[in-house]
Amino acid sequence: GIQVEQSPPDLILQEGANSTLRCNFSDSVNNLQWFHQNPWGQLINLFYIPSGTKQNGRLSATTVATERYSLLYISSSQTTDSGVYFCAGVQGAQKLVFGQGTRLTINP
Amino acid sequence: EPEVTQTPSHQVTQMGQEVILRCVPISNHLYFYWYRQILGQKVEFLVSFYNNEISEKSEIFDDQFSVERPDGSNFTLKIRSTKLEDSAMYFCASSGLAVKETQYFGPGTRLLVL
Repeated sequence: GIQVEQSPPDLILQEGANSTLRCNFSDSVNNLQWFHQNPWGQLINLFYIPSGTKQNGRLSATTVATERYSLLYISSSQTTDSGVYFCAGVQGAQKLVFGQGTRLTINP
Repeated sequence: EPEVTQTPSHQVTQMGQEVILRCVPISNHLYFYWYRQILGQKVEFLVSFYNNEISEKSEIFDDQFSVERPDGSNFTLKIRSTKLEDSAMYFCASSGLAVKETQYFGPGTRLLVL
């Protein structure tokens, strides 16, 4: 099955900074999703992005399927952006394979 | 906005006991999933369910686990005889189609086996 690797594993920033999180996958995927896991453990959908670029407020994501990577950009970070960010890809029909996550800490 | 719901939010049980975790997927969705996350680790796929049968399952999903859609709205995960290593957050998810649509996750059930 596919392997999903995320970098960096940890990222500590000051409020207002911009950040880029990366997700590499070992094989082509049919679906690529980004999630934010909040301090209560909930997985919040950020993007469904098998290819191309999408933006939602201060967040945007780009997936280059031919090169097997996706990037999540967070601009003007806020303390509420803290948490773990996961990317996950689907190979074949159904199951999402998750990366290990990037733990983002935004300090005031 | 429609959402996946899960009950209970937390459950504590003794080793060897049976537990049933409940989920109500988004109403017009066709595919249903269970995932789990051991504390501090990544989210892992357990099983997918379509048309009233299991369509894919992982190595984790052994004979101690079963899933059921007992009526038109609920989707359950049963663990027959819990082990300490079953302690984890269990997430239910649903999607309209398997491949080309977002999987939406519920808030999770945190299971602690003592």
